[in-house]
Amino acid sequence: KAGVTQTPRYLIKTRGQQVTLSCSPISGHRSVSWYQQTPGQGLQFLFEYFSETQRNKGNFPGRFSGRQFSNSRSEMNVSTLELGDSALYLCASSLDGGAQETQYFGPGTRLLVL
Amino acid sequence: EDQVTQSPEALRLQEGESSSLNCSYTVSGLRGLFWYRQDPGKGPEFLFTLYSAGEEKEKERLKATLTKKESFLHITAPKPEDSATYLCAVVSGANSKLTFGKGITLSVRP
Repeated sequence: KAGVTQTPRYLIKTRGQQVTLSCSPISGHRSVSWYQQTPGQGLQFLFEYFSETQRNKGNFPGRFSGRQFSNSRSEMNVSTLELGDSALYLCASSLDGGAQETQYFGPGTRLLVL
Repeated sequence: EDQVTQSPEALRLQEGESSSLNCSYTVSGLRGLFWYRQDPGKGPEFLFTLYSAGEEKEKERLKATLTKKESFLHITAPKPEDSATYLCAVVSGANSKLTFGKGITLSVRP
């Protein structure tokens, strides 16, 4: 079974631009969560999508948004990029997003904002 | 708010030297505690899930245990390929949001 895939793997953007990241979950998984990983803050939860609906949201500004499609694929968008947005963005999928379900992570998209 | 603290931040072991990694947590209604391994430049790889105090799980040289306040990841006779960052995360309440600790970077010398 193929794992979680994320594209692109690397991105370089400049301040003020916007970026869209993509995540394809494991086949059959309907819940997709996004996390930001930085050396200072570690892994932090951004949001979770299930059945094309945002079900949970972390403490990030409104510049961070996402969506999910009917095939469970998800995209994350960051508008008006800031230097502090440089990070590894990780996507994780699980069957139904239950609290006790294992979340499987993709390889991440490394974003560098100059 | 859920809190997870991992210690030590970094650990250097000689091959074959067993040790334990600690994960302390403060949550309201623990639903699950997860251990992941992360290699440089890669996403976290799932290792174990523990659901209730007293539970233990093993996989090769790794054994995870859980109490009401903390979890330990015991590494028996580690090998250089066990070198990685080990992440602990908790889930509480009804949602699936993972709250992570900062991780423990383990280095095993041959």
